[in-house]
Amino acid sequence: GDSVTQMEGPVTLSEEAFLTINCTYTATGYPSLFWYVQYPGEGLQLLLKATKADDKGSNKGFEATYRKETTSFHLEKGSVQVSDSAVYFCALSPNTGRRALTFGSGTRLQVQP
Amino acid sequence: EAQVTQNPRYLITVTGKKLTVTCSQNMNHEYMSWYRQDPGLGLRQIYYSMNVEVTDKGDVPEGYKVSRKEKRNFPLILESPSPNQTSLYFCASSLWQGETQYFGPGTRLLVL
Repeated sequence: GDSVTQMEGPVTLSEEAFLTINCTYTATGYPSLFWYVQYPGEGLQLLLKATKADDKGSNKGFEATYRKETTSFHLEKGSVQVSDSAVYFCALSPNTGRRALTFGSGTRLQVQP
Repeated sequence: EAQVTQNPRYLITVTGKKLTVTCSQNMNHEYMSWYRQDPGLGLRQIYYSMNVEVTDKGDVPEGYKVSRKEKRNFPLILESPSPNQTSLYFCASSLWQGETQYFGPGTRLLVL
């Protein structure tokens, strides 16, 4: 079945540091790929998405590129802020069938001032 | 404001006492879904609904029921809760199946 693997957390960075959170996936066909963010005490919010190979999703300074050849969708940001502290989830949705979101286990990011 | 609401936000109950968690969306979305979030496991789909009166099992449906009598509401029912259903529950909706899903704020359930 489909699966998503994320790097273990927590990731602790200083403000203005570069962020990478790795995400790889296993799926048949060409799924859509997502990054969701969960701030403390809140539900998940869509951060960015990509629906086909080589697409780049971007939002709020975060970027991720859909790499079919390496089945990856790594999240990057050039300069993190304290307000970026949250849990980040990589997810996929197949483009056929039930189309349920399959989530990774989440990566907690802590940004220190 | 476009949103998905859930009630209650926090609930402590005892084994075997039936409970219902409500979910409502005001975006006229066709697709609604319930997930549970557990440490180290991410979110897993419990049930989903593609339209009124159309529901189907997700990945972890055992011990849960749902109904979709109206487009906006999608309650999650635990007929006889057990401690292994202690979890954080999220309702989500999207315009169509496969579109971006919007999540509610979550319901934290503790079953003693």
